Amino acid sequence: NAGVTQTPKFQVLKTGQSMTLQCAQDMNHEYMSWYRQDPGMGLRLIHYSVGAGITDQGEVPNGYNVSRSTTEDFPLRLLSAAPSQTSVYFCASSRYTPPGEPPYEQYFGPGTRLTVT
Amino acid sequence: QQQVKQSPQSLIVQKGGIPIINCAYENTAFDYFPWYQQFPGKGPALLIAIRPDVSEKKEGRFTISFNKSAKQFSLHIMDSQPGDSATYFCAASEKSSGDKLTFGTGTRLAVRP
Repeated sequence: NAGVTQTPKFQVLKTGQSMTLQCAQDMNHEYMSWYRQDPGMGLRLIHYSVGAGITDQGEVPNGYNVSRSTTEDFPLRLLSAAPSQTSVYFCASSRYTPPGEPPYEQYFGPGTRLTVT
Repeated sequence: QQQVKQSPQSLIVQKGGIPIINCAYENTAFDYFPWYQQFPGKGPALLIAIRPDVSEKKEGRFTISFNKSAKQFSLHIMDSQPGDSATYFCAASEKSSGDKLTFGTGTRLAVRP
């Protein structure tokens, strides 16, 4: 059971380039999400998904796209990278919590450190 | 604006000390308050969580104190050890969307031997 895996671990992009950050989980979790972590800002939610074919925006979605074609995978796409997207990106997954119920534990991947020059 | 305010930004204690990290929130719809622990180069991991129907929760050396009227909650680490050195994040989520976490800004804790 690998848990949540992310690739690549490190990436350097030039301004304007595009790339996809990969995230996969083998726990059959319905809920998956992407966060970015910046110094002094904590973790901020970019996009999330409650199941295959369903995605929604979080707190800071601009400049990022997501799709969820399978339960296991939730890639994050940067269409035209900007220096402001330099950050550490974390993917997380959990069982889906119905509204009003105590949330299930979220499991985080090891992160992708992205630098945009 | 930061929905969950966390302090201090960094903290240094001696082994055996009791570091305390504080968080405050404004959104009264928040009803789940977890703490995450993150070691360098790793993703955050759930440490302990509390719901507002109790004022305190203990798990091993870690205790959450919760003050609903003040909209504040804090993490206490009893008998702290060098292995507790990490960054700690408080977070909160609403009953209507429990999986969507709002995080504090983090506290970097160093426990000296």
